[in-house]
Amino acid sequence: AQKITQTQPGMFVQEKEAVTLDCTYDTSDPSYGLFWYKQPSSGEMIFLIYQGSYDQQNATEGRYSLNFQKARKSANLVISASQLGDSAMYFCAMREIYSGGGADGLTFGKGTHLIIQP
Amino acid sequence: SAVISQKPSRDICQRGTSLTIQCQVDSQVTMMFWYRQQPGQSLTLIATANQGSEATYESGFVIDKFPISRPNLTFSTLTVSNMSPEDSSIYLCSSPQGNYGYTFGSGTRLTVV
Repeated sequence: AQKITQTQPGMFVQEKEAVTLDCTYDTSDPSYGLFWYKQPSSGEMIFLIYQGSYDQQNATEGRYSLNFQKARKSANLVISASQLGDSAMYFCAMREIYSGGGADGLTFGKGTHLIIQP
Repeated sequence: SAVISQKPSRDICQRGTSLTIQCQVDSQVTMMFWYRQQPGQSLTLIATANQGSEATYESGFVIDKFPISRPNLTFSTLTVSNMSPEDSSIYLCSSPQGNYGYTFGSGTRLTVV
């Protein structure tokens, strides 16, 4: 079974609208971290936001917020007031603290290609 | 946060040859990770490199194909050996930063012809 599922291969959104990118995850580890990264066409990976499994509040970073629903194992990224420069691939990723054996690498979803239209 | 310089940024290589990718971190880090991103796909972890020990490879990746060196806490290399067109990918290095973040190098876009 996939550990990270992103069900939206591509999305088209009008500029200035809010957009929600879906992410569900699967883990039996009680301690884990969830990440969102943006990858423009240049290929670099840009860190957007982090949510820990024990965090009580949803993470926010500027225009980015994470809608964390632990019981549903969901960690959707919300981008408010989208801009043309938000057009990119977006990846959800997870780090499992215990089953990952410590500071392990990330497991990535397949990504969502977001295109912002003027 | 730390900055990772990765090179080359891109290369076109002949099949059967090898390419070594370098990552230099501007601070000491315990672990470095190497990922492969095949065209249109997600990132897949190749191996974890600790300084002073053998790298740990993920299922489907072997040391003979992807040897890794980690001579100190700021530097690592990944070699893609005996390349074939199927090795055409973006290769990225990464290291943990602080409590939560992971920093990535800018990636190496490899084309094998």
